Amino acid sequence: DIQMTQSPSILSASVGDRVTITCRASQTISTWLAWYRQKPGTAPDLLIYKASTLKSGVSSRFSGSGSGTEFTLTISSLQPGDFATYFCQQYNIYPWTFGQGTKVEIK
Amino acid sequence: DVLLVESGGGLVKPGGSLRLSCVGSGFPFANYSMDWVRQAPGKGLEWLASISTSGRYMYYADSVKGRFTISRDNTRESLFLQMNSLRAEDTAVYYCARDLMVAIVSVPAPQGMDVWGHGTTVTVS
Repeated sequence: DIQMTQSPSILSASVGDRVTITCRASQTISTWLAWYRQKPGTAPDLLIYKASTLKSGVSSRFSGSGSGTEFTLTISSLQPGDFATYFCQQYNIYPWTFGQGTKVEIK
Repeated sequence: DVLLVESGGGLVKPGGSLRLSCVGSGFPFANYSMDWVRQAPGKGLEWLASISTSGRYMYYADSVKGRFTISRDNTRESLFLQMNSLRAEDTAVYYCARDLMVAIVSVPAPQGMDVWGHGTTVTVS
């Protein structure tokens, strides 16, 4: 199975900050990667797919990059609703796997 | 509105069975591959199973292979997860999710999960 490792596990930041989350795959997955945001007590929301394609309706504050085994999610200017947990997920090969999550908390 | 609504969760003893259901509305259900994902208390997301649009192809996580079965009924716009031989570690919120289908070289392919239900809680104790 492909292991997905996110860093950091916890990120402290302020409203307006630019933040970057990294996701590494244990083997190459081309660009078959998605990013999700999950607010407490709710289901995840898809933000980005195919590593860098923004889902329709998602704010352009979010961007993704990378290919192969290294990927990043960047939020250009944190807003109050962005304090949440973020997950990457590979869908290159079954079984699909998620990263362990990165919690973005208020500094 | 595009909606997925799960049901069927509850309290079950170890070794018992449950059948989860998920009803879709507001979109052509038969055109989308579908998934089950779970989240144990305070933990991350775990993909469990996927099923193709026709129901012909199914894929499972190792943790549930042989115990859980995913199925669908497109006439009822419904997705199911039959869970047998339940264990304490199966305790979680179970989500059904729709795959975002994007044409890749003219063939629709799943690109992440773009619609999620609210989840149904399964407690094995």
